[in-house]
Amino acid sequence: GENVEQHPSTLSVQEGDSAVIKCTYSDSASNYFPWYKQELGKGPQLIIDIRSNVGEKKDQRIAVTLNKTAKHFSLHITETQPEDSAVYFCAASKSSGSARQLTFGSGTQLTVLP
Amino acid sequence: KAGVTQTPRYLIKTRGQQVTLSCSPISGHRSVSWYQQTPGQGLQFLFEYFSETQRNKGNFPGRFSGRQFSNSRSEMNVSTLELGDSALYLCASSFGSPWTGAYEQYFGPGTRLTVT
Repeated sequence: GENVEQHPSTLSVQEGDSAVIKCTYSDSASNYFPWYKQELGKGPQLIIDIRSNVGEKKDQRIAVTLNKTAKHFSLHITETQPEDSAVYFCAASKSSGSARQLTFGSGTQLTVLP
Repeated sequence: KAGVTQTPRYLIKTRGQQVTLSCSPISGHRSVSWYQQTPGQGLQFLFEYFSETQRNKGNFPGRFSGRQFSNSRSEMNVSTLELGDSALYLCASSFGSPWTGAYEQYFGPGTRLTVT
């Protein structure tokens, strides 16, 4: 089955700096890669996603890049703010047939220092 | 539009008991998936329901089961609870079917189950 590895497990940045979180996946058939943000006491919130036919996607301060050949994808957050502090999860899935389940990475605790 | 709702939010049960958790998907969403989140194992897929039928199942024992109703609401049941079942149980809803629907899954706040 699919295996997703996520690095780093913890990341501290100064407010205003950029943060980068990286994930690799094992199944070349995976074609959908979402990123979730989870705050304490809440469920994961979908913040951005990318499909395998796209190399990069941007939404304001957040961007995701995908390298299908190397089977890795990254989350980039620019101009970080204290409210960006949370646990971030990457995930991968296939959309075909019954295999829509998400396989998650182990999470990155991001702390933005004021 | 209201998000995914889950009830109850917190639950304490004793080893050997059974528990039922409930999930109401986003209005118009017909697929519901369940995930277990623990510090040790992270987020793991339990099962997905669409049109009142289980369409996909993760690698969990048969003590974990679920069902979906005609209004798309879903329940999951865990029988003969073990200490290791203590976790946050998350429900996610998606638009459309597992085959032709949207990719995106939206999560509820979860039910925190503690087994003592």
